[in-house]
Amino acid sequence: GAVVSQHPSWVICKSGTSVKIECRSLDFQATTMFWYRQFPKQSLMLMATSNEGSKATYEQGVEKDKFLINHASLTLSTLTVTSAHPEDSSFYICSAVKGGQGLAKNIQYFGAGTRLSVL
Amino acid sequence: AQKITQTQPGMFVQEKEAVTLDCTYDTSDQSYGLFWYKQPSSGEMIFLIYQGSYDEQNATEGRYSLNFQKARKSANLVISASQLGDSAMYFCAMRTYGGATNKLIFGTGTLLAVQP
Repeated sequence: GAVVSQHPSWVICKSGTSVKIECRSLDFQATTMFWYRQFPKQSLMLMATSNEGSKATYEQGVEKDKFLINHASLTLSTLTVTSAHPEDSSFYICSAVKGGQGLAKNIQYFGAGTRLSVL
Repeated sequence: AQKITQTQPGMFVQEKEAVTLDCTYDTSDQSYGLFWYKQPSSGEMIFLIYQGSYDEQNATEGRYSLNFQKARKSANLVISASQLGDSAMYFCAMRTYGGATNKLIFGTGTLLAVQP
């Protein structure tokens, strides 16, 4: 498999502050990374697609100004939750696409996730 | 519309027995990929197995095999010789290749509990 590191794994913050989550592909380059949100006992909800060197593509209903995504290099994408509020509390998980396995495969490898609690 | 359906919210299996987790999909695309991921309580999503729509043989990875029935649009995961460490949430996902992205569509998941 491939290794994707996500940091921090758990963060507690005060309402109104901003939180940055990092997603790194450790042993491969990823031109595309994805950010998901997962509520308890539910499936993953895609928030946005992060493309290296260009603007992220957000899914319908996801606020761009609330969830800032920066994909500055081929191994790093960051998600910043700006002015976080309690309703932003959730599990955020990133993935990176490891290509070069044939176009048909392009498996998404996931980080370990970040549990955000906004008080 | 593209959709993944997992009808089993939860399942029990005895240790060392085999278990089948159901997954059906809906797509009008001819070219697509099917994936299974495992999510233990720690939260990480672990890639298990992949099946391409044009693959003639069912995919296998160790104790995992994918029972791919294209005509029925099903991609069930079979875990042989269950182990206690297999207890986790399992998600079926699909990617279609009509667009330019690698977006995955996930099912709602099946919680598997392996009993000693």
